[in-house]
Amino acid sequence: NAGVTQTPKFQVLKTGQSMTLQCAQDMNHEYMSWYRQDPGMGLRLIHYSVGAGITDQGEVPNGYNVSRSTTEDFPLRLLSAAPSQTSVYFCASRVAGYTGELFFGEGSRLTVL
Amino acid sequence: AQSVTQLGSHVSVSEGALVLLRCNYSSSVPPYLFWYVQYPNQGLQLLLKYTTGATLVKGINGFEAEFKKSETSFHLTKPSAHMSDAAEYFCAVSGSYGQNFVFGPGTRLSVLP
Repeated sequence: NAGVTQTPKFQVLKTGQSMTLQCAQDMNHEYMSWYRQDPGMGLRLIHYSVGAGITDQGEVPNGYNVSRSTTEDFPLRLLSAAPSQTSVYFCASRVAGYTGELFFGEGSRLTVL
Repeated sequence: AQSVTQLGSHVSVSEGALVLLRCNYSSSVPPYLFWYVQYPNQGLQLLLKYTTGATLVKGINGFEAEFKKSETSFHLTKPSAHMSDAAEYFCAVSGSYGQNFVFGPGTRLSVLP
């Protein structure tokens, strides 16, 4: 029972490089989201999607892009990485239309030098 | 708009002592409330949730929380702390209309032998 799977778990980038964090879930959840976790700030919502082809911005969307071509996958793209994007990123999903709990991946730790 | 505050970024208790982690929320709609636990280098795991019905909710690992609408609080308690309870705890609020989750800044619990 995989749940929410994130890759890679660790990544080091140089300023200006691009990369994609992958997220896949096998629970047929319509809702998927990306959060970043920084010390003392809890989790802040970056982008979210309520279904394939539908995405929207969260609290801190600048510098990040997302797309949702399938129900299962929700990749997060950093087009030009900055040191301020050094963080731990979590993907989470839940059933849409019902406020059940979020299911989280194990996180991706990104360092931008 | 919704927000969550957690009093105390770090709480220390002795093994066997009462655990009390405080959470206050602000919500313009009837809230759904959640407590999550995060062990080092892991994702977030649901401890318990309040949606409707009984205001005292029981979760995993002996934790419970009480929803008090008049105090806009959802404090987390456990009668007797174990060493294995050492982790970071996050309170989160969502809404009955399917709003996104908003997380508090987290409280790190240390359990002293």
